[in-house]
Amino acid sequence: EPEVTQTPSHQVTQMGQEVILRCVPISNHLYFYWYRQILGQKVEFLVSFYNNEISEKSEIFDDQFSVERPDGSNFTLKIRSTKLEDSAMYFCASRGTGGSPLHFGNGTRLTVT
Amino acid sequence: AQSVTQPDIHITVSEGASLELRCNYSYGATPYLFWYVQSPGQGLQLLLKYFSGDTLVQGIKGFEAEFKRSQSSFNLRKPSVHWSDAAEYFCAVGASNAGNMLTFGGGTRLMVKP
Repeated sequence: EPEVTQTPSHQVTQMGQEVILRCVPISNHLYFYWYRQILGQKVEFLVSFYNNEISEKSEIFDDQFSVERPDGSNFTLKIRSTKLEDSAMYFCASRGTGGSPLHFGNGTRLTVT
Repeated sequence: AQSVTQPDIHITVSEGASLELRCNYSYGATPYLFWYVQSPGQGLQLLLKYFSGDTLVQGIKGFEAEFKRSQSSFNLRKPSVHWSDAAEYFCAVGASNAGNMLTFGGGTRLMVKP
């Protein structure tokens, strides 16, 4: 069965550094998402992306965050200058058309020190 | 604003016993409801979903859930739990016209006793 794949599985970075989290959505999917889960807290929506532009974003998704689909297969989340509070598990998700549900990747655990 | 509440943070059941995980939602329109499971080190796997129609929906791994509009609930059930069901379970609500942007509950961690 097709899967959403995320790399790396764990990323450690220093405060103030830029990080790029990578995702390969399922190949025929058109809608792409990033969610995050801070340890012990709820899974939270960050951003959705369709037709090469952001369709919705949450309050969390401020100017430090950006997303990009640089080619036909990858979907990336960039955090420009990481803060300690950005430490979380970041999940990528994708879905097809209509009412099809989200398919999530296994997540990237980001640790900011 | 939409919200999801999972009242039970932890539940422990014996293997072979029945299971019910509670989920209550707050949503202004007809909700799209989901249950996801997260095993340690894994991503979120969809167990089942409700969009419309029959209010009792069947999912994978022997799970089912019942949508009760009058109670704003979407409880997850399984008649006989297996040790491999130990995981964290998330209920989520979304809107059909919001790109399936999901609001998650806080999760219920299920432990299974032998």
